[in-house]
Amino acid sequence: TQLLEQSPQFLSIQEGENLTVYCNSSSVFSSLQWYRQEPGEGPVLLVTVVTGGEVKKLKRLTFQFGDARKDSSLHITAAQPGDTGLYLCAGAEGSGAGSYQLTFGKGTKLSVIP
Amino acid sequence: DAEITQSPRHKITETGRQVTLACHQTWNHNNMFWYRQDLGHGLRLIHYSYGVQDTNKGEVSDGYSVSRSNTEDLPLTLESAASSQTSVYFCASSESMAGWLTGELFFGEGSRLTVL
Repeated sequence: TQLLEQSPQFLSIQEGENLTVYCNSSSVFSSLQWYRQEPGEGPVLLVTVVTGGEVKKLKRLTFQFGDARKDSSLHITAAQPGDTGLYLCAGAEGSGAGSYQLTFGKGTKLSVIP
Repeated sequence: DAEITQSPRHKITETGRQVTLACHQTWNHNNMFWYRQDLGHGLRLIHYSYGVQDTNKGEVSDGYSVSRSNTEDLPLTLESAASSQTSVYFCASSESMAGWLTGELFFGEGSRLTVL
């Protein structure tokens, strides 16, 4: 099982600030996903990145997959209180077409203060 | 709308009792997963299934079992509950994807289990 290190574990910022969350591993992933989880609910997918060096944007969120496919980052511009939640990265390791397991990082708990 | 539901949402049980957590999805997904979420550990994979009659052990499978008799359901059984199994349990499902593509996991709302 591949290990995913997320940093920081906790982040408390003021509304309007920018932030970056990191997801690192010593192993190569076939793909990497980012999820957001709110209290009392299951995680919800934000994005999947597949190609090394890939950058995807989702409104104020920018996701980057490292060139070597071992790391990823999530950058939020002008954070809003609605961005508050637990952000999880998950790396996929597969044993064949359609067969894979996702390994999750421990998450980054983000609080955006109005 | 398709969905994935877990029951019960909350359960308190005693050490040594057998507990079954239900998971039902109407997405018609082949892949189903059970995770547990604990502070300091994140989400850890317990068991998973790629289709009917297929089950596989995950990272933390000891003390848990699953069976897949149809596409929609993957119940998780704790044969003899232990205090270390107090946790929040999440069921998830996903489509099978071609090649090395990873499908989106659709999660249930979780089942909070307390073992006294």
